[in-house]
Amino acid sequence: RKEVEQDPGPFNVPEGATVAFNCTYSNSASQSFFWYRQDCRKEPKLLMSVYSSGNEDGRFTAQLNRASQYISLLIRDSKLSDSATYLCVVTPGKMTTDSWGKLQFGAGTQVVVTP
Amino acid sequence: DAGVIQSPRHEVTEMGQEVTLRCKPISGHDYLFWYRQTMMRGLELLIYFNNNVPIDDSGMPEDRFSAKMPNASFSTLKIQPSEPRDSAVYFCASSQGPRNWGTEAFFGQGTRLTVV
Repeated sequence: RKEVEQDPGPFNVPEGATVAFNCTYSNSASQSFFWYRQDCRKEPKLLMSVYSSGNEDGRFTAQLNRASQYISLLIRDSKLSDSATYLCVVTPGKMTTDSWGKLQFGAGTQVVVTP
Repeated sequence: DAGVIQSPRHEVTEMGQEVTLRCKPISGHDYLFWYRQTMMRGLELLIYFNNNVPIDDSGMPEDRFSAKMPNASFSTLKIQPSEPRDSAVYFCASSQGPRNWGTEAFFGQGTRLTVV
């Protein structure tokens, strides 16, 4: 089983609609979680961190479910510019100076927003 | 700040040749990462450094790959000899690390390597 798993999609979403997708992780000791966005042929960029209580940033809402070991991302009022691959990122467990660097990336979920 | 700078942006080389990828991290960042991305395997961590010291190189595929960080502002990833299966996008990233818990990793634009 992969340490971080994502539905690759693509999720085809009409402009203005809502889309949500999850990411599951295998290490119950993981402490920090992130969503990165990657546009076609570009580098990944941080979209948002995921906090235990859930958090919102504009049209984007991230949730963490520790019991079931998954995080989710919801995009409301989708824009054409939201078309991208969304990468789930998880830390390996208890954070130490040496282990911090081993961020584990999922393979990504592709979202395609159509007019 | 100009961000993480990688060079070259594109590299096409023949099998068997040596390839050197370069990276300049963001000033003040303690951590530097080398990733490889392919359609089949996604984003893979190859090696990372903390304060110029290699911490974990378990992701380096084999002895043909080597990485160095001679100072805080420069790192190289070398492949010798290169093989067609090394074709991928290689990303360098840097971050402040756990001094600021949850801080993000900033990626360079990547080097698209094609080995023919």
